[in-house]
Amino acid sequence: LAKTTQPISMDSYEGQEVNITCSHNNIATNDYITWYQQFPSQGPRFIIQGYKTKVTNEVASLFIPADRKSSTLSLPRVSLSDTAVYYCLVGDRAGTASKLTFGTGTRLQVTL
Amino acid sequence: AAGVIQSPRHLIKEKRETATLKCYPIPRHDTVYWYQQGPGQDPQFLISFYEKMQSDKGSIPDRFSAQQFSDYHSELNMSSLELGDSALYFCASHSQINLHTGELFFGEGSRLTVL
Repeated sequence: LAKTTQPISMDSYEGQEVNITCSHNNIATNDYITWYQQFPSQGPRFIIQGYKTKVTNEVASLFIPADRKSSTLSLPRVSLSDTAVYYCLVGDRAGTASKLTFGTGTRLQVTL
Repeated sequence: AAGVIQSPRHLIKEKRETATLKCYPIPRHDTVYWYQQGPGQDPQFLISFYEKMQSDKGSIPDRFSAQQFSDYHSELNMSSLELGDSALYFCASHSQINLHTGELFFGEGSRLTVL
């Protein structure tokens, strides 16, 4: 499975846009990129998933360049409640790649 | 909507004791994953099941075993507990039918404390 590299931590002010980049240089052709959010002592929560180009949902956007060796999670106008750890996972769709591995996530701290 | 149910939510055991954690996936989900998350650490994949058969194994100690039953619930059995087993244990479920979503649904976790 492709190994991922993310920044250990990021800081932002409330109302700003936050972009978290994940590197996955050895991503395979069948791999998808999935981002999860985790609050302390809670289970990770799915944010967004994509394969290429751009995906947008009600909470975030995911930008994937043509070579797919990296991806960027974009959180528009963050609030204090977005303070959490964000994980980038790369692998075949959940269920077909049984060993979905979490790397070292990015701890986002949002302040006033 | 129904979510992944884990029990117990909290468990305190002594060293060398055994513990069993249970996971009830979302109805009609056929795949279950177990993760261990130590204090301040990232979730570590332990084991997964699909249609009651073990699908893959991660960094699960030999002292641990798990299975998925006919009703798709899963149990993680831990024996000869060590202090280092103290962690949050998450279960996640997924439906192979809904591969297009690629989303894992996580439970709230079971916190095991070994004294």
